[in-house]
Amino acid sequence: KNEVEQSPQNLTAQEGEFITINCSYSVGISALHWLQQHPGGGIVSLFMLSSGKKKHGRLIATINIQEKHSSLHITASHPRDSAVYICAARTRNYGGSQGNLIFGKGTKLSVKP
Amino acid sequence: DGGITQSPKYLFRKEGQNVTLSCEQNLNHDAMYWYRQDPGQGLRLIYYSQIVNDFQKGDIAEGYSVSREKKESFPLTVTSAQKNPTAFYLCAAGGIYTQYFGPGTRLTVL
Repeated sequence: KNEVEQSPQNLTAQEGEFITINCSYSVGISALHWLQQHPGGGIVSLFMLSSGKKKHGRLIATINIQEKHSSLHITASHPRDSAVYICAARTRNYGGSQGNLIFGKGTKLSVKP
Repeated sequence: DGGITQSPKYLFRKEGQNVTLSCEQNLNHDAMYWYRQDPGQGLRLIYYSQIVNDFQKGDIAEGYSVSREKKESFPLTVTSAQKNPTAFYLCAAGGIYTQYFGPGTRLTVL
């Protein structure tokens, strides 16, 4: 079983729809990252969360530490949101050393006009 | 123009040849990383470096080597010992709060 699981693997939506992508993890974490990968391959960091909720424009990320679950929401989706969204768990930092990232397999989102 | 550059974007090599992928950053971060991405899989850590002249193996280091002689540069060599080198390679730099990724190099071994 993967330590970081995302669902769904693929998602097709119509422009304007509200979108939710889920991420569950089984390891102890210090933070949870959401990343966006465009078709050309470049990756952009969207959010880093250790608790609660963050919002940036039409993107909202939430995390429930007790349930080991995070969600990424996109409101009023647009074709330019089409990309692969990746969740990554930063392992808990023991002994002062920086934990590394464990990545989910990604969710491929396609928003149709 | 700040960021991370990787070159080349596409690279073709014959089986059995070593190849070096370039990664340069001007973000002044101490830590740099190399990841490999295969279709249908999450990114996997090959090597990372927390400081100049020091680096650590990641989860899939076999068949790869790195050096960190300068803060700005973290080249990755894919050696002939790597059994399945065809993949997309991403370099990153950053701290515990975020990582900045380069545009990636797609390596195809023929």
